[in-house]
Amino acid sequence: GNSVTQMEGPVTLSEEAFLTINCTYTATGYPSLFWYVQYPGEGLQLLLKATKADDKGSNKGFEATYRKETTSFHLEKGSVQVSDSAVYFCALRGGISQGGSEKLVFGKGTKLTVNP
Amino acid sequence: DADVTQTPRNRITKTGKRIMLECSQTKGHDRMYWYRQDPGLGLRLIYYSFDVKDINKGEISDGYSVSRQAQAKFSLSLESAIPNQTALYFCATSDPSGKGTDTQYFGPGTRLTVL
Repeated sequence: GNSVTQMEGPVTLSEEAFLTINCTYTATGYPSLFWYVQYPGEGLQLLLKATKADDKGSNKGFEATYRKETTSFHLEKGSVQVSDSAVYFCALRGGISQGGSEKLVFGKGTKLTVNP
Repeated sequence: DADVTQTPRNRITKTGKRIMLECSQTKGHDRMYWYRQDPGLGLRLIYYSFDVKDINKGEISDGYSVSRQAQAKFSLSLESAIPNQTALYFCATSDPSGKGTDTQYFGPGTRLTVL
C-alpha cells in the first residue's frame, strides 16, 4: 500500500538557517504529493503540492520538488524565521487513473522550532 | 468565520461514556473526513464520506461511528469511550477539482481526553 516516511524530529534551527525536511514515499502509479503545516493550536493547512514528476511546489519561501527517480519530496527553505515554527507533514494521494486511493496518507510529522 | 468548524474544542470525559464530536463546513464540499492525531503517529483516517449517502471506514474505525446529516455536517461518535481514544481529532473537507489534487481543508481540532 501507499506510505510516506519523513525524517524524525524535532528539528531546532536558528533564524536564517537553511531547512531541509526529508520525505520519501512508496506508491503505485503516479501519486500527488503534499506538504501540510500545523501551527501551534491550529489544524493543518496546505503549504504546497506537486502533481507530477519534476513539478516544484512553492509557497511562503518553501519549496519541494517531486522526484520520481528517488521517490522523494523533500521540503526546503533557504532562510527560516521564528514564525515558521510548526509541525510539517508530508502526504501522498494515490493516482486515481492507476486505481490509487483517493485518500491522503500522511507521514508522522516533523516538529520544527526556530530560535531567534 | 472559519470554513470548517468543530465542536467542542476540548472535552474531558470518563471511560464508558458516549461522546459526539461535530463538524460543520461552509465550503460546499461533498467530501468530509475524520482523523485522529497522536504524538509521533501523524494523522490516521477514521472515517470518510464522499457524499451524504456514502460512508466509508478508514484505517482505524473500530470503536467509532459517524453520521453524515447533511452535506455540511459530519459527526463522529464514540459509543463507549476508552482511555486510548484520548487524542486530537480533526475534521477535514475536500472538493475534487478534477485535476487530481484534492486539497483537504482542516478544522481547528477537538482535544478529547478520556479518563
